This record gives sequence, C-alpha cells and structure tokens, in this order.
Amino acid sequence: EVQLLESGGGLVQPGGSQRLSCAASGFTFNNYAMSWVRQAPGKGLEWVSIIRGSGGTTYYADSVKGRFTLSRDNSKNILYLQMDSLRVEDTAIYYCAKGGTTHDAFDNWGQGTMVTVSS
Amino acid sequence: DIVMTQSPDSLAVSLGERATISCKSSQSVLYSANNKNYVAWYQQKAGQPPKLLIYWASTRESGVPDRFSGSGSGTDFTLTISRLKAEDVAVYYCQQYYTTPRTFGQGTKVEIK
Repeated sequence: EVQLLESGGGLVQPGGSQRLSCAASGFTFNNYAMSWVRQAPGKGLEWVSIIRGSGGTTYYADSVKGRFTLSRDNSKNILYLQMDSLRVEDTAIYYCAKGGTTHDAFDNWGQGTMVTVSS
Repeated sequence: DIVMTQSPDSLAVSLGERATISCKSSQSVLYSANNKNYVAWYQQKAGQPPKLLIYWASTRESGVPDRFSGSGSGTDFTLTISRLKAEDVAVYYCQQYYTTPRTFGQGTKVEIK
C-alpha cells in the first residue's frame, strides 16, 4: 500500500524558512515523479513543484520560483521542500503527491501538513 | 500557462440524478503523438486530500465506481456522475498534466438538492 507522510509544517514568521518532508513507502520511490500541491484555507488546489524520479529535473510554479527548492533522497525514500523567504500568501496545507505509473496525474496523496506564515 | 476553467462553480443534484461538470482548457491538451488528452479529475471531500478519479480524460482509476465517467478532447472536457449518491458530496477539480506549470480548475462543489 502506498503511503505518503508529510511533516515539518508549523507557524513561521514572514521572511522565515521551513523545510517540509514527505516520507514515502509502498512503492519503488525512485521510479516516480513527485510533486507538492498546496491549498490555502478555503481555496482550491495550487501545484507548487515537481521532481522527476532520478531527481535531476525540477519545475516550479512562478509564485514560488527562486524561494522554494525541491529535492529528494532516493536512498531514504524522502521528498523535501525547502521554503525560504516565506510570505503570508504561502499559508496553506501542503500535500505531497505521487505521479502515476503510466501517466503524470497524481494517483496518491498524503494527508498534508499545514504551514502558517504570520507575525 | 494553461488555464483550466470549470463550470459551474457549484451545483445541487437530487439523489440518483446526473451531475455534469465542465472543464475547458485555454489551449489544447491533446498530444498528437499518442492521441491522449492530458487531463485528470479529482474528488476532494471535506477535510481530506484529493483523490484521483479519472486520468487521460476518460480512464477511471482503479477502484473508482463506474458511475463516474470522463469525456472530451482537445480543450473541452466533462466529468459525469451518472447516479448521484450522498457519498459523492465533494469538490471536484480538473487538472492538466500536459505541461508545467501543472494547473487545476477552480473546483466545482457538488451538493444534494
């Protein structure tokens, strides 16, 4: 059974940093692209970033480009999102999501971790 | 960026009746080399993460009831719930995975009339 467990959320001040982790199990981690998708309170889904299985290629939403860094440790089956220069508008639930086997839709999601940026 | 626009924003349907949600993309998400539409549909119930229902615009994910169906091609897509059940109350999102940035529709809230 695929499991994705996010951690690292919490309260952070504007301009601060936070690192999110997503521990994966139940599948061959390095074979799959992984993404972060966020959801501000009461709002819709916003894709944040994606990394290919090998870890070599990453893409970011314009709203986080230059501030967030996505990486993965395939030896530990962990996905990371380093968030710097955080803004109030980054406040959201952050979901870790796995790409499909034969497609790039998100076929498994974690429960999410809440990040609140506030002074 | 490809903009995904859903309609309506919300709809109320009687139990056992059909619910239809439209999703339009600002440019084609049909890849001619494989004739596949790079569109997915998700269901999000209150307090839960999203769940994949449909990919390639019309392929049901394993375990998804057959009352859920997807159709469309190019820029126009539809999610249909053929016989609404109480457990289908949720927000539904379309998403394109044709290119980055991946983009979602704004969501459609489905309620019971």
